[in-house]
Amino acid sequence: QSALTQPASVSGSPGQSITISCTGTSSDVGDYNYVSWYQQHPGKAPKLMIYDVSKRPSGVSNRFSGSKSGNTASLTISGLQPEDEADYYCSSYTSSNTVVFGGGTKLTVL
Amino acid sequence: QLQLQESGPGLVKPSETLSLTCTVSGGSISSSSYYWGWIRQSPGKGLEWIGSIYYSGSTYYNPSLKSRVTISVDTSKNQFSLKLSSVTAADTAVYYCARGYIVATTIDYWGQGTLVTVSS
Repeated sequence: QSALTQPASVSGSPGQSITISCTGTSSDVGDYNYVSWYQQHPGKAPKLMIYDVSKRPSGVSNRFSGSKSGNTASLTISGLQPEDEADYYCSSYTSSNTVVFGGGTKLTVL
Repeated sequence: QLQLQESGPGLVKPSETLSLTCTVSGGSISSSSYYWGWIRQSPGKGLEWIGSIYYSGSTYYNPSLKSRVTISVDTSKNQFSLKLSSVTAADTAVYYCARGYIVATTIDYWGQGTLVTVSS
């Protein structure tokens, strides 16, 4: 299985909005509403930010939102804050009963 | 509060078998609906799903690692384990154990991670 495709890096200024894309295939992202997004700060374990494409776990800021169109899922962060600077990973369930991650996106808050 | 803790050797020789255990506290590993999984992250690289085990014992593996991976569960000890055979330097990574849903597509609890280095 191939990793989902994410941009290597994105950046934005405090207060702005950014969107990170996650492109898969019709055998994963396109066929299931089981896409999750994780935030990872250096040296830390990942943290779940979005699941089932657009659901937010309890305690996650409503500045984080998710969506999907076709084979591409997206994570949008609005009102960027310095603490949002981190690596972000998407994951998807696949038709082979497996899980595939994206390559990760480094978010820089300028 | 559920907690997961990885344990095992931090150094493994090439061609040998990497063995890690994840001890779950604050909840039962036999709880229905949950998958218990292993994810790794090579230095400076992204996350890679290794495999998951359902509370019933069904296993799911990354196709690229399937021939070398075994995940098992010991409900009496509230633990699950990872064995990765014939390791090479490419298997050097931080290994995370985790609890999740949908074969661990959604992971709500992670261990802190443990670095395993493959070197002679």
